Amino acid sequence: QQQVKQSPQSLIVQKGGISIINCAYENTAFDYFPWYQQFPGKGPALLIAIRPDVSEKKEGRFTISFNKSAKQFSLHIMDSQPGDSATYFCAANGMDSSYKLIFGSGTRLLVRP
Amino acid sequence: GAGVSQTPSNKVTEKGKYVELRCDPISGHTALYWYRQSLGQGPEFLIYFQGTGAADDSGLPNDRFFAVRPEGSVSTLKIQRTERGDSAVYLCASSFSGQGGGTDTQYFGPGTRLTVL
Repeated sequence: QQQVKQSPQSLIVQKGGISIINCAYENTAFDYFPWYQQFPGKGPALLIAIRPDVSEKKEGRFTISFNKSAKQFSLHIMDSQPGDSATYFCAANGMDSSYKLIFGSGTRLLVRP
Repeated sequence: GAGVSQTPSNKVTEKGKYVELRCDPISGHTALYWYRQSLGQGPEFLIYFQGTGAADDSGLPNDRFFAVRPEGSVSTLKIQRTERGDSAVYLCASSFSGQGGGTDTQYFGPGTRLTVL
């Protein structure tokens, strides 16, 4: 019940394309869903986050879509750029242990020029 | 810089040895977290400090792992009798309050890569 399942494991997109990464969760107590971006040799950095009271959140080229009934959420990167090449992690935490982030297994994104 | 710093960046040790990993959180952050990231996986929660006390150490894998934060700032993760399976990147994060959710972002350091030979 504490898992967050992420797919795909890796993704290759051409420059200018749309990158889509999907996550699913089981624990209905989760109430905060961040996405983190990690470059090699660096720690994860918060990219964008959403709460379940909205179905979509957009910040620049990054959009989170949230489907509460299906317990799924996804990250869309529009106009993908080579500089977006990184590993992306979805995560969740909840009211019962709001400080504890539960991470997905990660998606390695490569954007080809 | 003003971010979370971790030392050393890399640590190679032999099986059975003792290691200490250090984390300097962002100044003013009361909450500090340790996570472990194995190759090709997402970070896994180890322990959460609120001030000087360990509020939740449920993620520590066994009693060989211990962490302290004596003055409510710098934290040290200590691993006794290291095993090859302990090899991973150990990440430290800090946040302002520890209340979680959208109001309390966790900021991660670059990690310490531990290799146990």
